[in-house]
Amino acid sequence: QQQVKQSPQSLIVQKGGISIINCAYENTAFDYFPWYQQFPGKGPALLIAIRPDVSEKKEGRFTISFNKSAKQFSLHIMDSQPGDSATYFCAASGESGYSTLTFGKGTMLLVSP
Amino acid sequence: ETGVTQSPTHLIKTRGQQVTLRCSSQSGHNTVSWYQQALGQGPQFIFQYYREEENGRGNFPPRFSGLQFPNYSSELNVNALELDDSALYLCASSLVSDYGYTFGSGTRLTVV
Repeated sequence: QQQVKQSPQSLIVQKGGISIINCAYENTAFDYFPWYQQFPGKGPALLIAIRPDVSEKKEGRFTISFNKSAKQFSLHIMDSQPGDSATYFCAASGESGYSTLTFGKGTMLLVSP
Repeated sequence: ETGVTQSPTHLIKTRGQQVTLRCSSQSGHNTVSWYQQALGQGPQFIFQYYREEENGRGNFPPRFSGLQFPNYSSELNVNALELDDSALYLCASSLVSDYGYTFGSGTRLTVV
């Protein structure tokens, strides 16, 4: 049972373009929605996260949009750069550090120069 | 502030053998979780430890076991290795009072 569905599986964007990755979740008990960035040979690194009490959060070139009623959230990467080429995972968890992360299957992003 | 460190970085084992992976949590973190990441997949939760006790477990068989030590370091043990156990094993630490998880770089386990 996949509780967090992520799309697309892979994405190619030109330098300077907007990268958009979408996720949908099923469990309404989820209370925290992070995005992780993973480079080859490295562990996932937290990029940006949102709680369901807000509809959007922006940090630099990265924005999360959250739609609680549709149980969907997305990552937008503005002015995409070749250094952004990595695998991106959305995830969801319940309240506090007791809860575990449920990950999507990942999106491999390639930003062409 | 130190991050999460894992050892070894790579490991090759034979089917049926046993393996122990190690993790040192980020300073100040009191919860440690282990995840299995198969090639091309998202990490899958194995189990979590808090105050040296297992606090939650994913859909993994009992041959996957763990320990958390008083200094918050941790071990993941896998007995009777199978070919499908080949994966990147990730350790993540956190504060029980916080949402944020810090991941290590993982141990790449290959079972032949």
